[in-house]
Amino acid sequence: QQKVQQSPESLTVSEGAMASLNCTFSDGTSNNFRWYRQHSAKGLEVLVSIFSDGEKEEGRFTAHLNRANLHVSLHIREPQPSDSAVYLCAVRGRNNNNAPRFGAGTKLSVKP
Amino acid sequence: EAAVTQSPRSKVAVTGGKVTLSCHQTNNHDYMYWYRQDTGHGLRLIHYSYVADSTEKGDIPDGYKASRPSQENFSLILELASLSQTAVYFCASSTGKTLYFGSGTRLTVL
Repeated sequence: QQKVQQSPESLTVSEGAMASLNCTFSDGTSNNFRWYRQHSAKGLEVLVSIFSDGEKEEGRFTAHLNRANLHVSLHIREPQPSDSAVYLCAVRGRNNNNAPRFGAGTKLSVKP
Repeated sequence: EAAVTQSPRSKVAVTGGKVTLSCHQTNNHDYMYWYRQDTGHGLRLIHYSYVADSTEKGDIPDGYKASRPSQENFSLILELASLSQTAVYFCASSTGKTLYFGSGTRLTVL
């Protein structure tokens, strides 16, 4: 069973400073990784998807994947107060019939 | 645009009662999922389905049943609701790639 862990549990950054979030997973055959954002227990929106080692950028959001280290990260460039939310990492195994598993989330607060 | 609709939006149930949470998608997606969210636990997978008339157990299926009578509809059934099932429940659909989530159902069991 896939285990997904996120760190830190919470993070406070100043507006404009880089925010970095981490996610580790247990199944080394996983090949499908996404970062979602959730504002105040509402629905989730996908931010960035990554499927191979390296980097994937979507606007101010960049994901880095290192499958050998079982690690995927999210970097938010120039965060704004409106980016304050819970960020969730989702990992899916190689088989499409494997359901995505989520980490517990990182609560990000961006101070003006 | 992808659309996943959950009903009800919120519900208060009594311990031991039966609760049905409904999910309807208009995306023509094969995959549908039920997750629950509790503070500090992120989203935990309860049941999922990748074809109509078939469901799979997720990581925390005890106390829950699922039903997928058609591609569009996926229900989560609590036959005997318990206090520990108080949570926010999210349904999602997918082609096997990005998940599209409903707005969630807040369930309170008293």
